[in-house]
Amino acid sequence: DAKTTQPPSMDCAEGRAANLPCNHSTISGNEYVYWYRQIHSQGPQYIIHGLKNNETNEMASLIITEDRKSSTLILPHATLRDTAVYYCIVRGAGTALIFGKGTTLSVSS
Amino acid sequence: GAGVSQSPSNKVTEKGKDVELRCDPISGHTALYWYRQRLGQGLEFLIYFQGNSAPDKSGLPSDRFSAERTGESVSTLTIQRTQQEDSAVYLCASSLERGNGYTFGSGTRLTVV
Repeated sequence: DAKTTQPPSMDCAEGRAANLPCNHSTISGNEYVYWYRQIHSQGPQYIIHGLKNNETNEMASLIITEDRKSSTLILPHATLRDTAVYYCIVRGAGTALIFGKGTTLSVSS
Repeated sequence: GAGVSQSPSNKVTEKGKDVELRCDPISGHTALYWYRQRLGQGLEFLIYFQGNSAPDKSGLPSDRFSAERTGESVSTLTIQRTQQEDSAVYLCASSLERGNGYTFGSGTRLTVV
């Protein structure tokens, strides 16, 4: 069973920041938060992951609350190509990566 | 190669036949996953290989499904006596044991007629 809760859908205007929330209130101390996305008809794409510190890479930023019970994925300047299903996954080392239903992000011009 | 390679990309088979799907992970990646994605549905975990450890087979839906992996190289997913409900895209992913994330292949689209 997925250990995360995400809104089923979100909309974002092109050029604006997209902030995707994720709740993971039962996360354990050794579990990481991973984000993937799946663009229509393609395999999932890794975006970013973190343990407790905020992380940033060329694709996105990950903000994890101090109690680690929730996180937010930030796409700073969304484009039409960012329209996809975004998955927030909690995973411990050496365990299976289980996908939930994710958030369908629709970016419009 | 640079990515995870899956073959065939498309497979049409008759109900009752056996099929074998292949995954070539990124060289050096010790972890390998198989997932199934039915049309319009989410990713369904099937099996997980991690180095020389016993695989996590908890996601296999029935005993018609099996998978093998030789060392840290190619993996094959076998579906025996295929049923129409097996129609889906089968995705493979690999990663370093404690790598940044999993790289997915483009999948094999299986259609059982």
